[in-house]
Amino acid sequence: DAGVTQSPTHLIKTRGQQVTLRCSPISGHKSVSWYQQVLGQGPQFIFQYYEKEERGRGNFPDRFSARQFPNYSSELNVNALLLGDSALYLCASSATGWDTEAFFGQGTRLTVV
Amino acid sequence: AQTVTQSQPEMSVQEAETVTLSCTYDTSESDYYLFWYKQPPSRQMILVIRQEAYKQQNATENRFSVNFQKAAKSFSLKISDSQLGDAAMYFCAYRSAGSYGKLTFGQGTILTVHP
Repeated sequence: DAGVTQSPTHLIKTRGQQVTLRCSPISGHKSVSWYQQVLGQGPQFIFQYYEKEERGRGNFPDRFSARQFPNYSSELNVNALLLGDSALYLCASSATGWDTEAFFGQGTRLTVV
Repeated sequence: AQTVTQSQPEMSVQEAETVTLSCTYDTSESDYYLFWYKQPPSRQMILVIRQEAYKQQNATENRFSVNFQKAAKSFSLKISDSQLGDAAMYFCAYRSAGSYGKLTFGQGTILTVHP
């Protein structure tokens, strides 16, 4: 079975642009979470979705938004990019969101110039 | 809000030796989970070991074990018989039992394994 897949793996954007990152969870998993990992730091929680509804939101500005589709894949959108948005964006999937093991993808490396 | 602190930015160990990574956390909750994740250069976060707060027995997974001190809010990871493949960034993480999967991570510890 395929693990959590994220696309693209790398991305370079200019300040002020918008970006969309994609995540496909493990087959059968209905929960997807997004994390931002700035270089040299631990991941920070951005959003969690379960059954297409937002179940949790971290301390991020409204420029960050996400959604989950009927097939449980998810997109993370970031508008009006800032240099500080440069980071590794990680997606994690779990069966229900309540289970204790989350499986992570390899992330999307976003560079804002 | 919960916080997780890893006070060792970097650690090193000789192959076949034992190393302990430290983690402390702060919470007012009584029911929660604690995790150690490994992040190699490939960037993929891999679960190493988990501990349920209501269990007094320390979790063990092969060469990996934890020392969970609930009263002290301490959760250290011991790696025995270290291998070159253990070299990675290690993150301690906390999850409330009542939350929908939100993980709170520490800052990480870079582990170097010397042959």
